[in-house]
Amino acid sequence: GAGVSQSPSNKVTEKGKDVELRCDPISGHTALYWYRQSLGQGLEFLIYFQGNSAPDKSGLPSDRFSAERTGGSVSTLTIQRTQQEDSAVYLCASTQSRGRTGELFFGEGSRLTVL
Amino acid sequence: GNSVTQMEGPVTLSEEAFLTINCTYTATGYPSLFWYVQYPGEGLQLLLKATKADDKGSNKGFEATYRKETTSFHLEKGSVQVSDSAVYFCALSGNSGAGSYQLTFGKGTKLSVIP
Repeated sequence: GAGVSQSPSNKVTEKGKDVELRCDPISGHTALYWYRQSLGQGLEFLIYFQGNSAPDKSGLPSDRFSAERTGGSVSTLTIQRTQQEDSAVYLCASTQSRGRTGELFFGEGSRLTVL
Repeated sequence: GNSVTQMEGPVTLSEEAFLTINCTYTATGYPSLFWYVQYPGEGLQLLLKATKADDKGSNKGFEATYRKETTSFHLEKGSVQVSDSAVYFCALSGNSGAGSYQLTFGKGTKLSVIP
């Protein structure tokens, strides 16, 4: 498809399990972001990838969170030993530029529920 | 650091009413400012933007003017429609010229327009 694709769209897991969320950005977009959207909290920046540069991981809330981007395209966000406070919608976005123009293209998100 | 404050919702209006959603920001340097919209069941999408002081962004009948003196970027529409029901996010992107690349979002304002 032409847009940013995320999977799964919904994930229910038990506390303590690991989860992987996948993002397939728009072809040719060099920049990729992960955000977290919690109820009433807006969007929280998690991590940013730009080409072959080292990622900006400054938004990751704990060392249980990690992300990688393979071949400059698909990205996976991994949450280890999930906690109930990890329940949120995880959004992926991509853009051609370094983000200065601000026009990010978002996927529909992966809704994570930790029981 | 950068921050965005927008009016709390939810906002409920009758069709053809005038809409204002207030947004103020705190940032170093000269940020670019944005309004994103999230329609029910869809991903966030850029509504409009302004990259320097006194610029006016406009799209789909919505407008917002970059006011540096009041650090504001209020969203307005003269006559809302039912189809405008969505969550609106104000955001800024650092514009330091050194490759700033992160969008900072407000918490979002949910708008419901009733016939």
